[in-house]
Amino acid sequence: QVQLVESGGGVVQPGRSLRLSCAASGFSFSTHGMHWVRQAPGKGLEWVAVIKNDGSFNYYSDSVKGRFTISRDNSKNTLYLEMNSLRAGDTAIYYCAKDLRGIDSPFDSWGQGTLVVVSS
Amino acid sequence: AIRMTQSPSSLSASTGDRVTISCRASEGISGYLAWYQQKPGQAPKLLIYGASTLQSGVPSRFSGSGSGTAYTLTINSLQSEDFATYYCQQHYSYPRTFGQGTKVEFK
Repeated sequence: QVQLVESGGGVVQPGRSLRLSCAASGFSFSTHGMHWVRQAPGKGLEWVAVIKNDGSFNYYSDSVKGRFTISRDNSKNTLYLEMNSLRAGDTAIYYCAKDLRGIDSPFDSWGQGTLVVVSS
Repeated sequence: AIRMTQSPSSLSASTGDRVTISCRASEGISGYLAWYQQKPGQAPKLLIYGASTLQSGVPSRFSGSGSGTAYTLTINSLQSEDFATYYCQQHYSYPRTFGQGTKVEFK
C-alpha cells in the first residue's frame, strides 16, 4: 500500500534553514507529481509547492516563493523541501502528498506530517 | 490565485442527518473541485474529485455536485465517524487553493 513518511522537522530559529524529506513506497514514485501542504496549529490547509514526476515543472505558493525549494530523487523514491530564511509564520505541520494521476489531479495519499516550529 | 470560500464554517448535526457544505470559487474552475475530510491528529483524506467522482473506498453516502464556481458536498445519513473537518480544494490551476474548512460537530 502507498506509504509516505515525512522527516526532518523540528525547532529552528528564525532566519535559519531546514530540509524536509518524504520517503515514498508502495507505488511508482517516478510517475506521480508530488506536493507539500502545510497546516499551522489549529488552522486550515495551505498548499506549498508541487513538482512534476520527472522534476521538469515546479510551482510555489507566493508565501514561500524564493525561500523554499522542492526537489525529488526518483532513484531514492524521496521528495524534499529545502526551507531557507524561515519565519515564525512557517510554523506548521508539513505534509507530503501524491497526485492521483498527473499534476492536474487532487492528492490521493498523504503522509502523517512533520512538525516545523520556527521560534527563537 | 483562485480564492475558495466554504460555508458554513461549522455546523452541528446528529447521526442520521443530511449535511450540506458549500464551496464557492472566485472564478470558474470547470469542475476541478476536490473534497477532503480531516479528523483531529490525522492527515486529510480525499473523498471526492472532479466535483462528483467518489474516490475509491469512500462510502456512497458522500456525494458532490456543482459546476462553474459553485459546488456542494452532501453527506446523507451522517455517521459517527463523519464528524470531522471538511475542506474543498480547486485542482484547476496553480497555486492550488483550499477553502477555510467546515467543522461538522455533534449536536
